[in-house]
Amino acid sequence: DVKVTQSSRYLVKRTGEKVFLECVQDMDHENMFWYRQDPGLGLRLIYFSYDVKMKEKGDIPEGYSVSREKKERFSLILESASTNQTSMYLCASSSVRGRYFGPGTRLTVT
Amino acid sequence: QQQVKQSPQSLIVQKGGISIINCAYENTAFDYFPWYQQFPGKGPALLIAIRPDVSEKKEGRFTISFNKSAKQFSLHIMDSQPGDSATYFCAASKPPDKLIFGTGTRLQVFP
Repeated sequence: DVKVTQSSRYLVKRTGEKVFLECVQDMDHENMFWYRQDPGLGLRLIYFSYDVKMKEKGDIPEGYSVSREKKERFSLILESASTNQTSMYLCASSSVRGRYFGPGTRLTVT
Repeated sequence: QQQVKQSPQSLIVQKGGISIINCAYENTAFDYFPWYQQFPGKGPALLIAIRPDVSEKKEGRFTISFNKSAKQFSLHIMDSQPGDSATYFCAASKPPDKLIFGTGTRLQVFP
């Protein structure tokens, strides 16, 4: 079974802090994704990566950056957390067209 | 711009009933339509998927109906069970690996 793990299930940070969300997949997938999930808005793509050191902006990249130094690891960075970034963050990997999601990190910015 | 419209936002069904969730898309370049199921505290998981060359796909109690001309597809859950209570997302995909999600439907099945 594909396994996608995320470093934290719950995280509370203060406004202005730098926040790192880590994601690791164990299936040697080329593609990795970061989504945020908000009620009534579904899943929105923040960033994705098709290869090591490669990244592409998704639909809502503002306020976020990413890093992919190794194939299995994809990190989401909030340079200066703001309250409107309070959300559920989901990492996913894929081989062909499907998505395998991690359990999510619920981030609260106060 | 919402390219996949999903309804209803929430659904309450009695045990044994049929749950129906509808989705509509705009872009004819979409060629793969998966449904995801998400339980509380978990990430979404692929439930069932269809390609537009077929009008229906059935896996157990779950059926996707697809209407290419109307650009609509729906998920039917037959004999709904309390264990089916979850949030369901439809999605539409186009090459190479672009996936657009609907806004989700929260299904509650009561005994």
